[in-house]
Amino acid sequence: AQSVTQPDIHITVSEGASLELRCNYSYGATPYLFWYVQSPGQGLQLLLKYFSGDTLVQGIKGFEAEFKRSQSSFNLRKPSVHWSDAAEYFCAVGAQGGSYIPTFGRGTSLIVHP
Amino acid sequence: GAGVSQSPRYKVAKRGQDVALRCDPISGHVSLFWYQQALGQGPEFLTYFQNEAQLDKSGLPSDRFFAERPEGSVSTLKIQRTQQEDSAVYLCASSLQIWDTQYFGPGTRLTVL
Repeated sequence: AQSVTQPDIHITVSEGASLELRCNYSYGATPYLFWYVQSPGQGLQLLLKYFSGDTLVQGIKGFEAEFKRSQSSFNLRKPSVHWSDAAEYFCAVGAQGGSYIPTFGRGTSLIVHP
Repeated sequence: GAGVSQSPRYKVAKRGQDVALRCDPISGHVSLFWYQQALGQGPEFLTYFQNEAQLDKSGLPSDRFFAERPEGSVSTLKIQRTQQEDSAVYLCASSLQIWDTQYFGPGTRLTVL
């Protein structure tokens, strides 16, 4: 079975600073990987996903993530954070050729200081 | 529809009561998923439908939880004899097919007193 670890429960950055949220997964074969964002009172919104091909994936709102098989990681990055990026971020992994249903990490809460 | 909708948005139940949570998926989406999100945690899979067929219910925590999608569109998650540990946000998502992007509703926050 697949699993996801998001080691940082909270991350605090200043507006305009760069951001990296960490995600490590455990799965024996090629995974599907996702990053979702959840704002207070809102449903989850897909930021980006990796299925195959280019390991650097571009998403919405200026986010990108890089799949590194050797490190079993799929870290989310943004070069310059805006106050509106404050939210909960979830990494998820699904199984190619098996269950496509994603397993979510526990989330990282992003706090943005002005 | 424009997106996935869920009702009610908030539900308070006394322990032992039965509750029913509704999900209206995006029109034409074949796949429908239910997740449970406890406070401070990520969503956990409960069950999955392909049209009206419930193909995976491995995540349902007990036989008090029951889900249906009789006409392959609207789905209802029912919890019988609610317990305090059932308090959570229940999320519904739909997708064109199981491997496609899932679109989530705003969730129903259930509080069991």
